[in-house]
Amino acid sequence: DAGITQSPRYKITETGRQVTLMCHQTWSHSYMFWYRQDLGHGLRLIYYSAAADITDKGEVPDGYVVSRSKTENFPLTLESATRSQTSVYFCASSESSSAFYNEQFFGPGTRLTVL
Amino acid sequence: GENVEQHPSTLSVQEGDSAVIKCTYSDSASNYFPWYKQELGKRPQLIIDIRSNVGEKKDQRIAVTLNKTAKHFSLHITETQPEDSAVYFCAASHILSYGKLTFGQGTILTVHP
Repeated sequence: DAGITQSPRYKITETGRQVTLMCHQTWSHSYMFWYRQDLGHGLRLIYYSAAADITDKGEVPDGYVVSRSKTENFPLTLESATRSQTSVYFCASSESSSAFYNEQFFGPGTRLTVL
Repeated sequence: GENVEQHPSTLSVQEGDSAVIKCTYSDSASNYFPWYKQELGKRPQLIIDIRSNVGEKKDQRIAVTLNKTAKHFSLHITETQPEDSAVYFCAASHILSYGKLTFGQGTILTVHP
């Protein structure tokens, strides 16, 4: 579990500000994911990446931007934060998309509050 | 896209009792079904998973069953202990989804000593 980290762990920002959440993994996993966790909704996928420079939208991508220039990093940017983006954000990674090895390992999460 | 429904949303049991959490999925192409446990303030962690080529899998006190015809799968915890108290999430995925998981809404399990 120490192989995937997120920063910051806690962030308070104001409406309209840009915020970037960082995710770093040391396993050289190909796949990386960003989820948000809200009460009553479980974990919802925001964006995912199959490899460096390959990203695609998940279930709730609006208001978010991602990039992946290096395999180990997958930052998530809120271009203009809104109160509805107050949530706990989890980054995850997996070694392969193979149906026979799909375990995703989660980072410790970032609790974001937008005032 | 895939939709996963999870029930119940909360479950309270006495220590030593069994607990069952059920999930249904909508995409018949889904073939991988993991269960994650999330303790308060912690990250989700995989506890057990099942692929579509098997109907049941056990690991000590936990087991998962899969009914592909009915498109539902269940988590069974026997001889529950207070440390089993957590939020449990089911999820579904298939080989063409690039590893993406669709999660259920979660079940808060409380085990009373």
